[in-house]
This record gives sequence, C-alpha cells and structure tokens, in this order.
Amino acid sequence: DTAVSQTPKYLVTQMGNDKSIKCEQNLGHDTMYWYKQDSKKFLKIMFSYNNKELIINETVPNRFSPKSPDKAHLNLHINSLELGDSAVYFCASSQDSAGFGNTIYFGEGSWLTVV
Amino acid sequence: AQTVTQSQPEMSVQEAETVTLSCTYDTSENNYYLFWYKQPPSRQMILVIRQEAYKQQNATENRFSVNFQKAAKSFSLKISDSQLGDTAMYFCAFMKHVPQGGSEKLVFGKGTKLTVNP
Repeated sequence: DTAVSQTPKYLVTQMGNDKSIKCEQNLGHDTMYWYKQDSKKFLKIMFSYNNKELIINETVPNRFSPKSPDKAHLNLHINSLELGDSAVYFCASSQDSAGFGNTIYFGEGSWLTVV
Repeated sequence: AQTVTQSQPEMSVQEAETVTLSCTYDTSENNYYLFWYKQPPSRQMILVIRQEAYKQQNATENRFSVNFQKAAKSFSLKISDSQLGDTAMYFCAFMKHVPQGGSEKLVFGKGTKLTVNP
C-alpha cells in the first residue's frame, strides 16, 4: 500500500490551462505539504496544512491554490499554467508538526510539463 | 533564515567502497533536525537517515551513517559497502524545532548526484 499517493504521476498540458493534482495519505498523519522540485532539482516548500488548516504559505503565485477537504487529502489546483510551472510536485505528510521531531514522508511526485 | 549547502554536485564511487557526502548548514537555532533523503531515478524521495541536534551520538542505519558536528554545523553522510542501488541524488535537509501543533518546513540543499560504478 502506498502511504502517500499522488495523481496524476505525469501531466502534459498547454499554457493557460487549469489543472489539479490530488494527494492522499493513509498514514493517519495530521500535517500535509506540497513541495516543488524545479528543473535543477532544487526542492522547496510551497504549502503546509495541519488538520485542514493552512499553516505555511511560501511566496507562491496566487494561481496556486491548495485545498484540504480532510486531513487525509491535500489537493493542488493551478490556474492559468505558465511554462515556468513545469516541475515535479511532491506531496508529503507527517504526524502532527514535523518540527516536533516527526519525519516527513513523500509521495512519488507528479511531473508537470507545460508546453 | 536557514541555508543548507552541499558542495559536491556530483560524486562517483566503485561498488563495495565507501563514500562520504558533505553537507553544511547555517542556523542560529539550537534545537533542530537534520535529514538525508535519497532520490533515485524513479524520483521517489526516500528518507535515508535523520539526526536530532540534541543527540551527540551519530545516527546509523545499516550501511549509512552520519558525522554530525554541531559546532561546525556539518552533517556528512557516509555510505559503506556501496551498492549499485545506491545510485541516486542525495539531499541534505534541515528542519528547526517548533512546539507541537505548529508546522515547520524542510530546507533542502541542492543535492549531490552519486553514481556507484560496477
């Protein structure tokens, strides 16, 4: 069983489109995250939710909107896609606050290509 | 703000040999956590090992061990008896401690691409 699962794994879409990436974790964790890995493989946090509440919101264009319907799901919706949005997006989760000493577990990533 | 530096963009090692990957970090925090993640070609981010800053003893997980030097803000990863399956990008990451109920982010280095040669 995959602990943190994301769909789709691969997505190719045209500029200007709107797309969503879904994430689900079956670990019973309270905190979920979205990280972005750019073309140079640099990983950076975008958002963090704890029990459906937005906790971390890095400097991300407001075209990106996370939604957490329950603590097991954290979806990422992207409006008006741009070429620079091409990246691998990782969903992750941890038990309560990761900064309290808990490990962050990552999904397999969703590879988004904007053409 | 915390920063993590991995000074070796690429490294290679022969199978069965030992290799050490370097990582330094900058922080004014006293209580924090350090991690090494592995990203094979499949792109999955896999936790290799973690270290709590308050622990003096270096963490060990089978063939993987760290050399944690808190004063020097250094956190290197040693891989013993390297295997072909160890070929991957390795990321060093830092997280500061926050009280329960808060949330904190992982700050990653830029990664070291390790190739294990047969």
